Amino acid sequence: NAGVTQTPKFRILKIGQSMTLQCAQDMNHNYMYWYRQDPGMGLKLIYYSVGAGITDKGEVPNGYNVSRSTTEDFPLRLELAAPSQTSVYFCASRITLGTADGYTFGSGTRLTVV
Amino acid sequence: AQRVTQPEKLLSVFKGAPVELKCNYSYSGSPELFWYVQYSRQRLQLLLRHISRESIKGFTADLNKGETSFHLKKPFAQEEDSAMYYCALLTGANSKLTFGKGITLSVRP
Repeated sequence: NAGVTQTPKFRILKIGQSMTLQCAQDMNHNYMYWYRQDPGMGLKLIYYSVGAGITDKGEVPNGYNVSRSTTEDFPLRLELAAPSQTSVYFCASRITLGTADGYTFGSGTRLTVV
Repeated sequence: AQRVTQPEKLLSVFKGAPVELKCNYSYSGSPELFWYVQYSRQRLQLLLRHISRESIKGFTADLNKGETSFHLKKPFAQEEDSAMYYCALLTGANSKLTFGKGITLSVRP
């Protein structure tokens, strides 16, 4: 299993541009999450999904959109990039069964908006 | 609402010294707590989960419901322990993780 795969690893965007951060998992996990990590702020939940076709907002959803057409993929869309979206983005997934398991994280996408 | 507090941003110790990384939580339900570690510019990795009561890489953490704490401890720090550590609380039917702000542990030789 590859686990959780995120692409790209790095990206520089200009203000107002759009892009999609890709996230894929091959573990047949139902739950998937997008977090952003900012220095001194920890990780904040942007959006999450409990299964294909179902998504919901997290703590900081403004400026982002998601879709979940398949169990494997959970892309994050930035429509009009702003400097405040400069961050490291992590995707994570989790199996529903059992409460002893934490999340499996991807390696992150480092995004800079200039 | 749930909250995780890691009161310190940085802990710097010498190799061989004891380490305690503090974590307090606020949650009205039954808490499920985790410690995650992030080595330099890498992905977050699960270090410990309270329900397993395990010791990983010499680290332990005990849930104290009376003090609403889940402090991470290691008796003798190693240089390879230098990393960012996050405490996290799992809540709700949708299994959302709420993270603390993290603490950087620096172990000097």
